[in-house]
Amino acid sequence: EAQVTQNPRYLITVTGKKLTVTCSQNMNHEYMSWYRQDPGLGLRQIYYSMNVEVTDKGDVPEGYKVSRKEKRNFPLILESPSPNQTSLYFCASSWGTGELFFGEGSRLTVL
Amino acid sequence: GENVEQHPSTLSVQEGDSAVIKCTYSDSASNYFPWYKQELGKRPQLIIDIRSNVGEKKDQRIAVTLNKTAKHFSLHITETQPEDSAVYFCAASPYNFNKFYFGSGTKLNVKP
Repeated sequence: EAQVTQNPRYLITVTGKKLTVTCSQNMNHEYMSWYRQDPGLGLRQIYYSMNVEVTDKGDVPEGYKVSRKEKRNFPLILESPSPNQTSLYFCASSWGTGELFFGEGSRLTVL
Repeated sequence: GENVEQHPSTLSVQEGDSAVIKCTYSDSASNYFPWYKQELGKRPQLIIDIRSNVGEKKDQRIAVTLNKTAKHFSLHITETQPEDSAVYFCAASPYNFNKFYFGSGTKLNVKP
């Protein structure tokens, strides 16, 4: 089954404790990206990757890091999480021609 | 950068009525305009999209129109059904589909 898998789905952590949200896709997509969803703000792009070893900033990259060492994986790293990073996070992948395929989301709470 | 505005934020209609959601964008470099539906607790899923060389596209009860001159595009849902109740997001993207700018969302409630 074609899918984008995120882990963890739910996480409560404390300020400053480094965490990683993993994202994996099995569709051989070249393009992958991360979004955060906050009430009244829609989805905002954090980072994207057009291919392996190629990443670039989206609209709200501050406080986040990504890496793309393999085509199927695109982890999101929060080196020192803060409460304003409490949000619902979505990973998405695409052939690079339009349609985004989203993961199920990861709800992060930073205390 | 691009700015996408979406209206209304909430929309309530009777089953069988039509619903229209409108979006405007600011960057003339945008030429791909998808619409996503997000049911409660679920991931966003593409329902229809339109590219800048097309003015209108239909898929059964759903249609999207695009006015590039005025920089606005709209989602039209006819004969609404309770299962259409969800949050709908518009988005805009440039020709190379690298950046996506989403509207703030419209919560559609279809009353039986």
